[in-house]
Amino acid sequence: DGGITQSPKYLFRKEGQNVTLSCEQNLNHDAMYWYRQDPGQGLRLIYYSQIVNDFQKGDIAEGYSVSREKKESFPLTVTSAQKNPTAFYLCASSGLAGSTDTQYFGPGTRLTVL
Amino acid sequence: AQSVTQPDIHITVSEGASLELRCNYSYGATPYLFWYVQSPGQGLQLLLKYFSGDTLVQGIKGFEAEFKRSQSSFNLRKPSVHWSDAAEYFCAVGARGFQKLVFGTGTRLLVSP
Repeated sequence: DGGITQSPKYLFRKEGQNVTLSCEQNLNHDAMYWYRQDPGQGLRLIYYSQIVNDFQKGDIAEGYSVSREKKESFPLTVTSAQKNPTAFYLCASSGLAGSTDTQYFGPGTRLTVL
Repeated sequence: AQSVTQPDIHITVSEGASLELRCNYSYGATPYLFWYVQSPGQGLQLLLKYFSGDTLVQGIKGFEAEFKRSQSSFNLRKPSVHWSDAAEYFCAVGARGFQKLVFGTGTRLLVSP
C-alpha cells in the first residue's frame, strides 16, 4: 500500500539531547513537509522540501534541522536548541514540486521532553 | 499574507443532527481550499478540496463544502452526524504556485447521543 510512515510513534528525550524523527513515503511525491502541532494552535510549518538535496525553512525552523538525500525520505532532527520541543510532529508529502497540490499526512510522532 | 480563521473552537452536535463548521480565509487571489479531519493521536485525513469549478464540492464520509468568494468562506457541512464523526477538523488554504498551506486552529466536534 502507498503511504507515509513515521517512526517512532512515541519518543522521549532528555533535555540537551538531539533526536531524529523519521518520515518515509512511497507515493513517489516530490515535495515533503514537517509540521508541529500544539493544542489550540493548529499546524505550523517547520521545513519543507520540493526536491532532493534542497529544502526551505518554514515558519518555526529555529532549533530544527532536516535533510533530503533521497526522494522518499525526509528526516527531522530536533536539536537541543529547540526550547520547547514537546509536541506532536506530522510529516506530509504532495505530488508535484512547485505546484499547489494536496498534502497527505503520516500518522505522526509524539515527542516528550523529560 | 494568507490566513485562515475557524471561529469555533468546540462544537457539540446531537447524533443525527446537521452540522456546519465555519472557515473564513484571507487571500487576494483565488484560493485553493481544503478540509482535513484528525482523530485523536492520528494524522490528518483529507475530506475534500476546492481548486476551481463548481463551488459546492463533495467529499468523503458524506461531507460537503461550499466556496463563497463574496464571503471569503468555505464552510463544511454534513446533513446527519454520526458518533464516529467526533474528531478535530482543520481548514487550510493555499494558492496557485505557492507550495505552502496555511492551516486554521481547528474545530473540535463532539457528538452527543
